[in-house]
Amino acid sequence: DVKVTQSSRYLVKRTGEKVFLECVQDMDHENMFWYRQDPGLGLRLIYFSYDVKMKEKGDIPEGYSVSREKKERFSLILESASTNQTSMYLCASSLPPENGYTFGSGTRLTVV
Amino acid sequence: AQKITQTQPGMFVQEKEAVTLDCTYDTSDQSYGLFWYKQPSSGEMIFLIYQGSYDEQNATEGRYSLNFQKARKSANLVISASQLGDSAMYFCAMSYYGNNRLAFGKGNQVVVIP
Repeated sequence: DVKVTQSSRYLVKRTGEKVFLECVQDMDHENMFWYRQDPGLGLRLIYFSYDVKMKEKGDIPEGYSVSREKKERFSLILESASTNQTSMYLCASSLPPENGYTFGSGTRLTVV
Repeated sequence: AQKITQTQPGMFVQEKEAVTLDCTYDTSDQSYGLFWYKQPSSGEMIFLIYQGSYDEQNATEGRYSLNFQKARKSANLVISASQLGDSAMYFCAMSYYGNNRLAFGKGNQVVVIP
């Protein structure tokens, strides 16, 4: 069964810390995505990557960066965490669209 | 910009009844895909069904069917014979940028009651 694994289910960080959220997929997919989900706002795209070392900004990239050194791993980086980055973060990967995008189980990040 | 609209408030559905979740979208692209996802309280996003913009037949997957009306730009999800396990948030989404991006609606909450 195809899988997208996010390293942490829950995370609590302090304001100003550098935070790494890791995502690994075992499906050899080209495309990987990071979304954040907030109540009443749905899912919003932060960044996506369509190949190793390639990345593109999504709709809300401010305050975030990403890294994709290997095909299977896509990392989201919060350079200096702030309280307004408290959210659920979801990683996804995709190949043929008709198979859907496969999501990880999410990381609930709280910045205090 | 792509826009997905889900406007229904939270819904209560009787077990074994059918429920329709509304979704309208706005795009100038000719080629796009439409998706529905289910998110139970555990948080994972579960892919339910896909409809390509050039598909002439409505997609079906088990108890899920997608009522695709291209001219009206609507892609409603129909869940037949609701089960208690169908209680969840449901998201409509559309792929664009050559299917490299997915835009989501804000979701519909469904609660199935026995």
